[in-house]
Amino acid sequence: KAGVTQTPRYLIKTRGQQVTLSCSPISGHRSVSWYQQTPGQGLQFLFEYFSETQRNKGNFPGRFSGRQFSNSRSEMNVSTLELGDSALYLCASSLVQGTNTEAFFGQGTRLTVV
Amino acid sequence: QKEVEQNSGPLSVPEGAIASLNCTYSDRGSQSFFWYRQYSGKSPELIMSIYSNGDKEDGRFTAQLNKASQYVSLLIRDSQPSDSATYLCAVKHRGSTLGRLYFGRGTQLTVWP
Repeated sequence: KAGVTQTPRYLIKTRGQQVTLSCSPISGHRSVSWYQQTPGQGLQFLFEYFSETQRNKGNFPGRFSGRQFSNSRSEMNVSTLELGDSALYLCASSLVQGTNTEAFFGQGTRLTVV
Repeated sequence: QKEVEQNSGPLSVPEGAIASLNCTYSDRGSQSFFWYRQYSGKSPELIMSIYSNGDKEDGRFTAQLNKASQYVSLLIRDSQPSDSATYLCAVKHRGSTLGRLYFGRGTQLTVWP
């Protein structure tokens, strides 16, 4: 059974540009969450999607957005990139939305903003 | 503020010893608890989940939950050098933040041969 797939694995962008990251959850999983990981802040929640609807949103500026498609695949977009957006972006897949459900992470996308 | 606290370590144990990792959380509405292992440069890997008070064992790993004291721990028996990683404690709450994981900053574990 395939795991969570994130593309691309690595990305280098210039300040001011925008970027789109993609996540394909485990087959049959309908909930996708996104996290940002930096050495200074640890793992920070960005947002969660379930059934194509954003269900939760973390404390990030509006430059960070996302969406989920009918096949549960998800994308996140960051516009007007800043140096501080350099981080590992992680996607987590869960069977359903809920507390007693396990979340499995993809390999992540390493974004470097120069 | 839904805080999850972990000792940052580093925690260093010899091969074959028991490694004990601790986590406390501030919100009594916390419902489910998870331990992830993260190797350097890799993504977090789920190793244990626990939802009710008591112990849960899986191979060399035992998770312990005490909701009254608001702590959850992970014991690694017969520690191996391959267990050297950062261990992240994560918590989910009831209510509007249903699917969201709140993470601690992680404890770095080193197992030396």
